Amino acid sequence: DVKVTQSSRYLVKRTGEKVFLECVQDMDHENMFWYRQDPGLGLRLIYFSYDVKMKEKGDIPEGYSVSREKKERFSLILESASTNQTSMYLCASRMRLAGYNEQFFGPGTRLTVL
Amino acid sequence: KNQVEQSPQSLIILEGKNCTLQCNYTVSPFSNLRWYKQDTGRGPVSLTIMTFSENTKSNGRYTATLDADTKQSSLHITASQLSDSASYICVVSANNAGNMLTFGGGTRLMVKP
Repeated sequence: DVKVTQSSRYLVKRTGEKVFLECVQDMDHENMFWYRQDPGLGLRLIYFSYDVKMKEKGDIPEGYSVSREKKERFSLILESASTNQTSMYLCASRMRLAGYNEQFFGPGTRLTVL
Repeated sequence: KNQVEQSPQSLIILEGKNCTLQCNYTVSPFSNLRWYKQDTGRGPVSLTIMTFSENTKSNGRYTATLDADTKQSSLHITASQLSDSASYICVVSANNAGNMLTFGGGTRLMVKP
């Protein structure tokens, strides 16, 4: 079974703090993704990575950066957290760049920025 | 712009009843459509995937349909159970570089005893 894990289920941070969200997958997937999910807006893609050291901006990259130093790990960084970044963050991975390959999601991190 | 619209936004049904969730999309060029189930506080899990040539697919009590001409899909849940309470998300993949996904806003289903 594919397993995607995220470092925290719940996180509370203060405005201006630097925040790291970690995601690890155990199935040697090339592609990894970070989404945020907000009520009424669905899932929106922040960043994705086709492979190690590679990263591409998604639809809403502003205020975020990512790091993919190892194939199994994809980190999302909030350089200076703001209240409008309070959201559910979901990581996903996929075997390779192919439309039929399912994206497997982690359990999510609910981030609150005060 | 690629879009996926789902209806209704929320639904309450009694245990044992059937229900149908709707998904309309404008993603082009179309590759495939998935229905995901997302339990509260969890990540989405795929229920079904349908390609252009498929018009129905079942997974237990879940049956998805696809009309590629009208760009509509539905998810029918038969004999609902309390464990069906979740959000159901329609996701369409484009047949282009990156095979990026467009997500619907989801339908929140509550099954009551």
